[in-house]
Amino acid sequence: EAGVTQFPSHSVIEKGQTVTLRCDPISGHDNLYWYRRVMGKEIKFLLHFVKESKQDESGMPNNRFLAERTGGTYSTLKVQPAELEDSGVYFCASSSPGTELNSPLHFGNGTRLTVT
Amino acid sequence: AQSVTQLDSQVPVFEEAPVELRCNYSSSVSVYLFWYVQYPNQGLQLLLKYLSGSTLVKGINGFEAEFNKSQTSFHLRKPSVHISDTAEYFCAVSVTSYGKLTFGQGTILTVHP
Repeated sequence: EAGVTQFPSHSVIEKGQTVTLRCDPISGHDNLYWYRRVMGKEIKFLLHFVKESKQDESGMPNNRFLAERTGGTYSTLKVQPAELEDSGVYFCASSSPGTELNSPLHFGNGTRLTVT
Repeated sequence: AQSVTQLDSQVPVFEEAPVELRCNYSSSVSVYLFWYVQYPNQGLQLLLKYLSGSTLVKGINGFEAEFNKSQTSFHLRKPSVHISDTAEYFCAVSVTSYGKLTFGQGTILTVHP
């Protein structure tokens, strides 16, 4: 099966610009997660979708971040306007429905975002 | 809130030597425990997990970890490492029934020939 794919792999933008990251989960995976790793720090949870519904968005840093998952398939994470502290690696992960912790998270390779 | 501390940011070892990567956690409720590995230019991959039952958990690639509730630890071990084990390793906990994980800072394992 194809894994979790993320686009783009790298993005360099200027402060104040807008960037949209995309994640395509494994087919059939209802659960989709976004995580972020700021350089030198730990990976942090951003939010969790079940199909198209946001189940937990407690990790979203502020209202400059908007995540969507229309139709319950791929997801986008938009940062508008981007700030320097938004730089980092953004990971997407998906898992199959059912007993969640018995379904491992499958991570994408991440999008490295650099805001200058 | 829960937290995870990986006590070593970098661990260099020689090939075929044993290795232990240390992880301690803090939580006021019961936790589920995980170790993930990230090879260069790849996503994170699950090595092993502890949900319940036996405190000694075996994972992929010859790794194992032991859950110690009294010491709130979940150290990862391998008796003999290979060059291919060079990667960054992450300890994580969850207090939910879904994949909301709290990660440690990561440990870079470098295996030298």
